[in-house]
Amino acid sequence: AQKVTQTQTSISVVEKTTVTMDCVYETRDSSYFLFWYKQTASGEIVFLIRQDSYKKENATVGHYSLNFQKPKSSIGLIITATQIEDSAVYFCAMREEGTGGYKVVFGSGTRLLVSP
Amino acid sequence: EAAVTQSPRNKVAVTGGKVTLSCNQTNNHNNMYWYRQDTGHGLRLIHYSYGAGSTEKGDIPDGYKASRPSQENFSLILELATPSQTSVYFCASGGGGWEQYFGPGTRLTVL
Repeated sequence: AQKVTQTQTSISVVEKTTVTMDCVYETRDSSYFLFWYKQTASGEIVFLIRQDSYKKENATVGHYSLNFQKPKSSIGLIITATQIEDSAVYFCAMREEGTGGYKVVFGSGTRLLVSP
Repeated sequence: EAAVTQSPRNKVAVTGGKVTLSCNQTNNHNNMYWYRQDTGHGLRLIHYSYGAGSTEKGDIPDGYKASRPSQENFSLILELATPSQTSVYFCASGGGGWEQYFGPGTRLTVL
């Protein structure tokens, strides 16, 4: 089975700085998909960004970007110019093929605190 | 307008009682999922479905059943609730193999 590991339980930064959250994964698939999700203080979980393993370019959406290092099975999330509202828990996830379709495996999450 | 809704949002149940958590999605997605979230464990998959009438076991299915009577609805059933099932439960829908859309969550307390 596939596995997603986030070793950073929490990170604190000052607003307007850049932060990187780490994620490593295990898979036997030659083609796979990686995701980052954000869970706000209210509990809402939203999709942020996706990386397809066959793409060499790192995905970027707004002030979120990915650092995809395939040989290291690593997919880091980079948030530039952090804002107070970026304070949340961030989950790394990987798509896994299941019976008749797919499912998603999540890491344990990294809590980000952005302070003034 | 919210595309994935869950009911109830909060539930207190007694040990040994039956609990049904409901999820409705208007995304017209084939895939639906039930997760539980506990501190330190992230989101763990309980059951999922690829379409009406289908259910599949996830990573932690013991003590749970699921039902997918239609494209829009997916229920999670605890036939005999136990205190260890106290958690926050999230439903999600997904289509095309890409990102998932989550409901607001249901906080379940089993006394």
